[in-house]
Amino acid sequence: EAEVAQSPRYKITEKSQAVAFWCDPISGHATLYWYRQILGQGPELLVQFQDESVVDDSQLPKDRFSAERLKGVDSTLKIQPAELGDSAMYLCASSLGLTGTHTEQETQYFGPGTRLLVL
Amino acid sequence: QKEVEQNSGPLSVPEGAIASLNCTYSDRVSQSFFWYRQYSGKSPELIMSIYSNGDKEDGRFTAQLNKASQYVSLLIRDSQPSDSATYLCAVTSFQKLVFGTGTRLLVSP
Repeated sequence: EAEVAQSPRYKITEKSQAVAFWCDPISGHATLYWYRQILGQGPELLVQFQDESVVDDSQLPKDRFSAERLKGVDSTLKIQPAELGDSAMYLCASSLGLTGTHTEQETQYFGPGTRLLVL
Repeated sequence: QKEVEQNSGPLSVPEGAIASLNCTYSDRVSQSFFWYRQYSGKSPELIMSIYSNGDKEDGRFTAQLNKASQYVSLLIRDSQPSDSATYLCAVTSFQKLVFGTGTRLLVSP
């Protein structure tokens, strides 16, 4: 069964350090999303890619966060420097993209997530 | 007003009962609605999607949508202890998927 892959699954870092998360979407999915989920809340979109292009990064704190999807397949999300408030679950999701039906375009499948703890 | 609102719960039901989870949304032009299940410490798992007014059934799950009332619900029949999780309602708004904070469901044996 096709799945979204993420690594690492857990990351502990000290504040001011740099961290990076990796995501490999379901094969053939053109749209990739990064979400942040704080305990007790729903996921919040950080950035959305269509192929290698950023579609929406309006909620990405660009002073410390960056995201790329250079070849339109896998993606990396980076935080530098990490702050205590960045402790959360970072989720990657993918959907088929513009080539799919309306339903397929909007249906998102999540990876297992990376749990980040900043000390 | 939050875009997607859910009662945080917990909603406690006995095994075998029907669990009813509710969600309201503020964007009148929303077209697509999703329910995700999230076990503690895990990522969201898609349960159902619904796009048209009325009911949509999939096994023990039924999603209900009322666009006029801006209301979507999820019914779980014959609830099992393994259904104990947080259920996230998600709604498309301005081409983005917006999540509620989730309702925690506890099914007691």
